[in-house]
Amino acid sequence: GENVEQHPSTLSVQEGDSAVIKCTYSDSASNYFPWYKQELGKRPQLIIDIRSNVGEKKDQRIAVTLNKTAKHFSLHITETQPEDSAVYFCAASKGSNYQLIWGAGTKLIIKP
Amino acid sequence: DTEVTQTPKHLVMGMTNKKSLKCEQHMGHRAMYWYKQKAKKPPELMFVYSYEKLSINESVPSRFSPECPNSSLLNLHLHALQPEDSALYLCASSQVADYEQYFGPGTRLTVT
Repeated sequence: GENVEQHPSTLSVQEGDSAVIKCTYSDSASNYFPWYKQELGKRPQLIIDIRSNVGEKKDQRIAVTLNKTAKHFSLHITETQPEDSAVYFCAASKGSNYQLIWGAGTKLIIKP
Repeated sequence: DTEVTQTPKHLVMGMTNKKSLKCEQHMGHRAMYWYKQKAKKPPELMFVYSYEKLSINESVPSRFSPECPNSSLLNLHLHALQPEDSALYLCASSQVADYEQYFGPGTRLTVT
């Protein structure tokens, strides 16, 4: 079945620097790739998503890139701030399938 | 209103108790989900209701029983749970498949 691998498991960056989290997926039919942010004790919240007909999407300091050939997608956060500290999950799904296949998560730590 | 609500926030129950978790959304979404999340892990899909019909049951033990009384409400009935069922139970909704899933704040369940 579909598998999503996410790296790194923990990422520590200096405030103001950029952070990059990478995911690879196994099912070439996957066509929807959301990224969720989950702060400690809170609900997961969608921060950005991308569909397979688009290579890159940007929203202020956050961007996602998708390489369908290599079957990987990445989250880029620029000018990191303390409030970016959280666990980030990537996920993938296909077609009319309601099931999201989740990555294991990346704990992002922003050092002041 | 872009919010999914869940009650209760916290629940402690013994292994012989019967309790219910409740979830509500008023966004007109036609898909509703129950997830279980353990610490430091991604959400794990349990059930999906699509247009008020159960469409996915991820081989969940029968001590968990979902119910969708109408398009806005989702319940999870709990009976004879085990200590290993202690977790954060998240409800989510989405417009249809492969669209953003909006999560509720979760119910923190402890089974004693």
